[in-house]
Amino acid sequence: AQKVTQAQTEISVVEKEDVTLDCVYETRDTTYYLFWYKQPPSGELVFLIRRNSFDEQNEISGRYSWNFQKSTSSFNFTITASQVVDSAVYFCALRENQGGKLIFGQGTELSVKP
Amino acid sequence: DTEVTQTPKHLVMGMTNKKSLKCEQHMGHRAMYWYKQKAKKPPELMFVYSYEKLSINESVPSRFSPECPNSSLLNLHLHALQPEDSALYLCASSLLYRDLQETQYFGPGTRLLVL
Repeated sequence: AQKVTQAQTEISVVEKEDVTLDCVYETRDTTYYLFWYKQPPSGELVFLIRRNSFDEQNEISGRYSWNFQKSTSSFNFTITASQVVDSAVYFCALRENQGGKLIFGQGTELSVKP
Repeated sequence: DTEVTQTPKHLVMGMTNKKSLKCEQHMGHRAMYWYKQKAKKPPELMFVYSYEKLSINESVPSRFSPECPNSSLLNLHLHALQPEDSALYLCASSLLYRDLQETQYFGPGTRLLVL
């Protein structure tokens, strides 16, 4: 069965700290896609990144970086020098090969305090 | 432009009311989705439309009735809802449905309260 686990329910940091959000997934598919979404208090899910199972290169976008490790089935997300605007719930998701459904993790609520 | 719009932003309705949620996208996407999200939980898929045809119904009660009048619009008709149906209702779209790499883009949601 396909599953996404975000073990950290809530994380609280002080502004300018670095923070890593963990995502571990389970799938028997050899081809799959992983996603991260941000959900600020306003409610909209904002797409952050998509990564396919054949591309294990780490990705950096400004203060955001992603570490994909197939060997440990993990796709972790790091925010460098966090800011108050980063406060949100972050969801990791796996795209299921059969049926096309997005399998979401339970989300990690990040609180960045000034 | 990756914008999905939803109206209304907030909705309060009684259990005997009939109301509709609307979703619109102008990105040329042919797949549209309705999700329900309860507080502190991930979104749960309700319906998927692909090329204006209903492809997936995740065993949603009949008091929720989706409609896709054209490729840009998606409605969710609500009737005789229960208080436990109070939630954030999110609409999403993607270029295609079955294509594994497709990214779903979400709207801002409608916060529904059923009294």
